[in-house]
Amino acid sequence: DTGVSQDPRHKITKRGQNVTFRCDPISEHNRLYWYRQTLGQGPEFLTYFQNEAQLEKSRLLSDRFSAERPKGSFSTLEIQRTEQGDSAMYLCASSFRSASTDTQYFGPGTRLTVL
Amino acid sequence: AQSVTQLGSHVSVSEGALVLLRCNYSSSVPPYLFWYVQYPNQGLQLLLKYTSAATLVKGINGFEAEFKKSETSFHLTKPSAHMSDAAEYFCAGYAAGGTSYGKLTFGQGTILTVHP
Repeated sequence: DTGVSQDPRHKITKRGQNVTFRCDPISEHNRLYWYRQTLGQGPEFLTYFQNEAQLEKSRLLSDRFSAERPKGSFSTLEIQRTEQGDSAMYLCASSFRSASTDTQYFGPGTRLTVL
Repeated sequence: AQSVTQLGSHVSVSEGALVLLRCNYSSSVPPYLFWYVQYPNQGLQLLLKYTSAATLVKGINGFEAEFKKSETSFHLTKPSAHMSDAAEYFCAGYAAGGTSYGKLTFGQGTILTVHP
């Protein structure tokens, strides 16, 4: 069973450009989460999907951010008109939501640097 | 609302010494609690989890944690530190009911340094 994968691992972009990240969850996991981690901090929740439905978005997720999970498999996170404040590690996690628990397994992350 | 606090942003121990990383939580409902480890420029690896079964939870690499409701704590321990344990550790949790189910709240992290 392969783990959660994320692509790319690193992205350097100029301010104002659009970027898109991809996350491939563990197969048969029905939930997929996105978190953002800035230097020296713990990850912060951004949004999550159950199958293809996006169930919640954090207030941290401005209108420049959009996430999709077509067909309930992989997910993409797009940031439009990037700002220097968007520089962070973007982490994806997946889980199988059951009645008793929701244990999330994380990917390696995509580190975004906005110049 | 759920919150997680890790006491001590840096902990330093000698190889072979006891490791103790502190985590306290606040929650209006019973929580699910987790410890993750993060190596530089990598994602988070699950060490162990508490899901309201046994209060003493054993994880990978010799780590364990004890859920103490009276102290609202979930401290992580390891009897004997190894050089390979040097990393950053995160305590995280979510409330067992309501809209927060599954949405992890993380502590600030504790960087563990192991000296030879």
